[in-house]
Amino acid sequence: DIQMTQSPSSLSASVGDRVTITCRASQGIRNDVGWYQQKPGKAPKRLIYAASSLQSGVPSRFSGSGSGTEFTLTISSLQPEDFATYYCLQYNSYPVTFGQGTKLEI
Amino acid sequence: EVQLVESGGGLVQPGGSLRLSCAASGFTLSDHSMDWVRQAPGKGLEWVGRTRNKANSYTPEYAASVKGRFTISRDDSKNSLYLQMNSLKIEDTAVYYCARSMSDWGQGTLVTVSS
Repeated sequence: DIQMTQSPSSLSASVGDRVTITCRASQGIRNDVGWYQQKPGKAPKRLIYAASSLQSGVPSRFSGSGSGTEFTLTISSLQPEDFATYYCLQYNSYPVTFGQGTKLEI
Repeated sequence: EVQLVESGGGLVQPGGSLRLSCAASGFTLSDHSMDWVRQAPGKGLEWVGRTRNKANSYTPEYAASVKGRFTISRDDSKNSLYLQMNSLKIEDTAVYYCARSMSDWGQGTLVTVSS
């Protein structure tokens, strides 16, 4: 199975900050990565697919990059509604696997 | 507008069975792979399994933790996806989500396995 190691597990930041979350895959997975945002009691929402493609309707302050084994999600200027938990996902091979999550807090 | 609505969750004893449903609307179900993903209370996301689209013969895939106990099926004529869960364990307790190609998600349904 491909392991997705996500860091950090939690992050304290302020409105307006630039933040970066990283996922490292245990083997090369091309660009078969997605990023999700989840708020308490809600379903996950996809932000990024194919490592760097922005999901329709998602604000442009969200961006993704990487290929192979290293992937990042960047939020260029945090807004109050961005405080949530973020997950990466690899879909290069089965089983599909998620990172452990990053809780973004004020 | 894509909509996915899960139902069928509830309380079940260890060893019991439950069938979840996911009602889909706003798209042609047969064109898409469909996944089940779960989230145990206070924990992260865990992929459960997938049924591929019609073009790929609806071939299923499962996580090792549920293989042999859970079965994913679909009825495209009813725009519905199903998750049959047998031999349930306490550790299967979670909110279960259905998702379209890991892009659009339902709101989830809670399954509690407890005696």
